[in-house]
Amino acid sequence: GAGVSQSPRYKVAKRGQDVALRCDPISGHVSLFWYQQALGQGPEFLTYFQNEAQLDKSGLPSDRFFAERPEGSVSTLKIQRTQQEDSAVYLCASSLTSANTGELFFGEGSRLTVL
Amino acid sequence: GQNIDQPTEMTATEGAIVQINCTYQTSGFNGLFWYQQHAGEAPTFLSYNVLDGLEEKGRFSSFLSRSKGYSYLLLKELQMKDSASYLCAVYLRGGYNKLIFGAGTRLAVHP
Repeated sequence: GAGVSQSPRYKVAKRGQDVALRCDPISGHVSLFWYQQALGQGPEFLTYFQNEAQLDKSGLPSDRFFAERPEGSVSTLKIQRTQQEDSAVYLCASSLTSANTGELFFGEGSRLTVL
Repeated sequence: GQNIDQPTEMTATEGAIVQINCTYQTSGFNGLFWYQQHAGEAPTFLSYNVLDGLEEKGRFSSFLSRSKGYSYLLLKELQMKDSASYLCAVYLRGGYNKLIFGAGTRLAVHP
């Protein structure tokens, strides 16, 4: 596709359920980022992939959060045993290169609500 | 630690000019972005400054002073559709392009 695609756009989960959020970056983009955005806040960094390698996962809030990008294209963010504090919009972004230049292109996000 | 500060909210009148300030204190710096984000939508790119000075792009301009850790976004001839959140984001120096964001400034444009 022309842009970054995320699914589902909206997800409601009961506390304790596992969820999986998918990101389809722009074709050929090397870098892929996941961000968490709480209501009224800016995006908070979660993790970074360069192709299939997860080079930085320092922003993942707990070991319940797991991300993968096995073939260097589509990525999945998995949250196990969801808690109410996990409610947020999860944004995926991709970039053509791994250098400190160029813009990040964002998807529209997956809004997770944990009841 | 990393710190990016910007005002929480601003209001302005249609047709006017507004300046949104951003100050940053980061362990490294390799450029500053401004993104626009309408409610429920993805952030979209507005500007990128890596050198000191003013970058102008149509109704939007962005300024950077690296020595002061300061940037501003200037919006001219405001339109109702400019009502949105404006995110200041800093590229950290390092092995890859890690981008960290401020909390965003919600701008409301009134008739």
